[in-house]
Amino acid sequence: DAGVTQSPTHLIKTRGQQVTLRCSPKSGHDTVSWYQQALGQGPQFIFQYYEEEERQRGNFPDRFSGHQFPNYSSELNVNALLLGDSALYLCASSFPGASSYNEQFFGPGTRLTVL
Amino acid sequence: KQEVTQIPAALSVPEGENLVLNCSFTDSAIYNLQWFRQDPGKGLTSLLLIQSSQREQTSGRLNASLDKSSGRSTLYIAASQPGDSATYLCAVPNTGNQFYFGTGTSLTVIP
Repeated sequence: DAGVTQSPTHLIKTRGQQVTLRCSPKSGHDTVSWYQQALGQGPQFIFQYYEEEERQRGNFPDRFSGHQFPNYSSELNVNALLLGDSALYLCASSFPGASSYNEQFFGPGTRLTVL
Repeated sequence: KQEVTQIPAALSVPEGENLVLNCSFTDSAIYNLQWFRQDPGKGLTSLLLIQSSQREQTSGRLNASLDKSSGRSTLYIAASQPGDSATYLCAVPNTGNQFYFGTGTSLTVIP
């Protein structure tokens, strides 16, 4: 049973560019959440997708957008990259029914470096 | 807004010692609390999930407790091993499916 997968593993971009990160949830999971983790900090919630819609959003600007596909996989897009966007981006999936009471399973993350 | 605090920020212990990591949260209206382990530069591995109706959960050498009324949870690690060296994070969801994390406790177990 494959766990949560993310691609790419590492990414280097320059300021002003756009980036797309991808996530495939654990088999049978229908809810995907995205987090940003700066060095030495805990993960910060970006948003959550369920039934192909953004269900909840954290305190992130509109430069951060996402999408969920019918197969439950998800993309995180970041436009007009800033140096401060450099971080580890984590994807988490959870069980069907998708209440907040369910255990989250995380992928290995994508390390984004903005130069 | 939920605030999650973890104390201590870093901990170094000799192999074999029992230890306790602490997590506190400001809003006691939580549905569950989840403990994670994170190795450097890696994703998060779920260790234990405690539902709000539970007081304890155990998995092997790990035991997590939850006291909602006081806004506290502890993670107890018995007979620590060098392989336990990692950062340990706790997280709680709010009613809107947003999860709040602490900044973690960095544990080093010295052989």
